[in-house]
Amino acid sequence: GESVGLHLPTLSVQEGDNSIINCAYSNSASDYFIWYKQESGKGPQFIIDIRSNMDKRQGQRVTVLLNKTVKHLSLQIAATQPGDSAVYFCAETSTGNQFYFGTGTSLTVIP
Amino acid sequence: DAGITQSPRYKITETGRQVTLMCHQTWSHSYMFWYRQDLGHGLRLIYYSAAADITDKGEVPDGYVVSRSKTENFPLTLESATRSQTSVYFCASSDRRPPTDEQFFGPGTRLTVL
Repeated sequence: GESVGLHLPTLSVQEGDNSIINCAYSNSASDYFIWYKQESGKGPQFIIDIRSNMDKRQGQRVTVLLNKTVKHLSLQIAATQPGDSAVYFCAETSTGNQFYFGTGTSLTVIP
Repeated sequence: DAGITQSPRYKITETGRQVTLMCHQTWSHSYMFWYRQDLGHGLRLIYYSAAADITDKGEVPDGYVVSRSKTENFPLTLESATRSQTSVYFCASSDRRPPTDEQFFGPGTRLTVL
């Protein structure tokens, strides 16, 4: 099976600082990646996605970087806010039907 | 706009009992998914459906049964619940229209098997 892992299970940042959440994947055939945010007691919520033909994609305060050479994905959150406190998951797929999720990184923003 | 709903939100059952978790979406999305979420494992796909009457196994299908007679509903049945099936279950849907394959998740059902 495929494995998707995160480098750090928890991350604490000061409000206003930038956050970086990392994710490693093992399937070189994966061609589509999504970052999800999950708040306590809720289902995951889409943040941003990227396809394998791109190295970088930007959204509102978020940027996803993809390094296919080392099979690494990162999520950067600019000017982190208390509302960004949540668990963040990366997910990858090579088929579009079956997504494989990482175990999650818990982000805590310190006011 | 109800979106995607799951019921019940919480369920306690006993080993060996049959349990059905319901999922309903109002977007007419063609794809629907069932995941379970356990500490240390993230979300793992149980079953998915590409359309009514079309279902396929995911990563961890053993012990579960699904059906999809209508596009908007995708129930998940545990035919004989085991303690290892204690988990939080999430249903998701997607229309898989480019450029995104975003899945929209329900609020989850927390299932405890005693």
